[in-house]
Amino acid sequence: ETGVTQSPTHLIKTRGQQVTLRCSSQSGHNTVSWYQQALGQGPQFIFQYYREEENGRGNFPPRFSGLQFPNYSSELNVNALELDDSALYLCASSGWGNYEQYFGPGTRLTVT
Amino acid sequence: ELKVEQNPLFLSMQEGKNYTIYCNYSTTSDRLYWYRQDPGKSLESLFVLLSNGAVKQEGRLMASLDTKARLSTLHITAAVHDLSATYFCAVMNNAGNMLTFGGGTRLMVKP
Repeated sequence: ETGVTQSPTHLIKTRGQQVTLRCSSQSGHNTVSWYQQALGQGPQFIFQYYREEENGRGNFPPRFSGLQFPNYSSELNVNALELDDSALYLCASSGWGNYEQYFGPGTRLTVT
Repeated sequence: ELKVEQNPLFLSMQEGKNYTIYCNYSTTSDRLYWYRQDPGKSLESLFVLLSNGAVKQEGRLMASLDTKARLSTLHITAAVHDLSATYFCAVMNNAGNMLTFGGGTRLMVKP
């Protein structure tokens, strides 16, 4: 059974650019959630995808968007990057009705 | 809006001592999670508590849940240096699609 993987590990972007982060869910899991963790804070929920549809969204602006593919992997896209978008981005996968949430290793995004 | 508060935010303790981390939350939920995070790393799942009165133990850590008081505790017994990390509690909303995290407790265990 493979775990949750994310790519890339680290990324440096300039303010105003766009970025795409990727997440492969654990084998058999059809639900992917994305979280943003700023330095020294707890993670904050961005959105969740279930069977390729958005299934809940946190308090993030529309420039944060996502996709889920038929193999349940997912992308997080952020447009018009701001300095405050610098954070660790975590994805978590779970099976529907399965209470456990398995987190990936994260992507650290730095916006300069 | 669901709010989750942890205390203390920072805890420095000697090896061999016992201590408790508290997690209070503001609205009804029957699903509470505890995670450990080492510096620069992702979240490692410790416990999932699913019902009132639930108690789970793993090694020197024991977690409990009181849904009526909206309180969970993480008790550390005879701390060792390897337990040094940041510990987060998180509460699942009733829709089952969003975890709300506390601010974390940074634990430092001194030899």
